[in-house]
Amino acid sequence: NAGVTQTPKFRVLKTGQSMTLLCAQDMNHEYMYWYRQDPGMGLRLIHYSVGEGTTAKGEVPDGYNVSRLKKQNFLLGLESAAPSQTSVYFCASISGVSGYTFGSGTRLTVV
Amino acid sequence: AQSVTQLDSQVPVFEEAPVELRCNYSSSVSVYLFWYVQYPNQGLQLLLKYLSGSTLVKGINGFEAEFNKSQTSFHLRKPSVHISDTAEYFCAVSDRGSSNTGKLIFGQGTTLQVKP
Repeated sequence: NAGVTQTPKFRVLKTGQSMTLLCAQDMNHEYMYWYRQDPGMGLRLIHYSVGEGTTAKGEVPDGYNVSRLKKQNFLLGLESAAPSQTSVYFCASISGVSGYTFGSGTRLTVV
Repeated sequence: AQSVTQLDSQVPVFEEAPVELRCNYSSSVSVYLFWYVQYPNQGLQLLLKYLSGSTLVKGINGFEAEFNKSQTSFHLRKPSVHISDTAEYFCAVSDRGSSNTGKLIFGQGTTLQVKP
């Protein structure tokens, strides 16, 4: 089925561990985004990409890195996880101004 | 820079009553406006969007919103709510300028609690 797929759906990390979240879309969308959702703060943009091989910082990029080596994949990395990165992470891609498609989210807990 | 303020963090309402969820935005450029709904433990679903044209926008599940440029508002309304409308609602804006990167700026969210 066409859409945005995020893996994993759940993860528990210890402080200082690293991990990569994968976002994959099969809609040939150019633009992709990573957001984090925290209670009372809505969704905040971490990083985004306007095409293969390009990335840019959003509102809250510190502690995260991203890569877009293939058009269909957008990876979000945490090099050294901190409890402040406990959150729900959403990936999204768009086609045109109104065609936003969100993934189902990754719930990350850092202990 | 753009910002979005949702004026109520929680809105309790009885079933079959009308509801309004308020959203104000700030931007130095023209914007596109969106409302999303998030049911518990799920992702975001688009309710409706304003791109251009008529300022009254109708969406799914009987929701509608009105774009008011002079008041920089985009309030969401429903004339009669159901228990199943209990969810969190997010207002969002996106720059419609020539340098548009499609980024969405979200409000803090409003939790709609529909009581029987």
